[in-house]
Amino acid sequence: GAGVSQSPRYKVAKRGQDVALRCDPISGHVSLFWYQQALGQGPEFLTYFQNEAQLDKSGLPSDRFFAERPEGSVSTLKIQRTQQEDSAVYLCASSPRGHGDTQYFGPGTRLTVL
Amino acid sequence: LAKTTQPISMDSYEGQEVNITCSHNNIATNDYITWYQQFPSQGPRFIIQGYKTKVTNEVASLFIPADRKSSTLSLPRVSLSDTAVYYCLVGAFQGSSAGNNRKLIWGLGTSLAVNP
Repeated sequence: GAGVSQSPRYKVAKRGQDVALRCDPISGHVSLFWYQQALGQGPEFLTYFQNEAQLDKSGLPSDRFFAERPEGSVSTLKIQRTQQEDSAVYLCASSPRGHGDTQYFGPGTRLTVL
Repeated sequence: LAKTTQPISMDSYEGQEVNITCSHNNIATNDYITWYQQFPSQGPRFIIQGYKTKVTNEVASLFIPADRKSSTLSLPRVSLSDTAVYYCLVGAFQGSSAGNNRKLIWGLGTSLAVNP
């Protein structure tokens, strides 16, 4: 595709449910990033992949958050036993090479936990 | 990790030039300065990136003084559609393997309102 796509665009979950958010990066992009953005705040780094390798997961807020990119393209962010504080927009970005490259963002998935 | 400081909000009018200044006192030698724009319900979009002096593209200019401790994003003749949040980031040198594991820190950004 022409850009980064994310699905679903909106997700409503009951507290305690598991959710899975998908990111399709730009074809051929080596790096993939996940961010969490709360209302009125800037994006906060969650995790970073270079191809299929998860090189940095220091931003994941708890062990309920898990991300994977098994074939070095599509990535999934999974949140287990969702809590209300997990409500946010989850942004995915990809870049041709590493951190210093321009990041191309998807539209985000807005997660609301009731 | 480098941290940035920028005004929370700015107001302008259509047709004016807008300058948004960002402070980054702890910028490292290998760091680039990058600006992104974000509209509501969309992901951030790259505007411009620079290392030193001046960079210009079709939408903006970026001015970086010699000490690199600050930078100024200049938007010429803004229109209503430039109303957005603008983020200043400093991060790893483009393509540098040394920078590949450094994560970018996004602040609150500057909310620019362009009025008719």
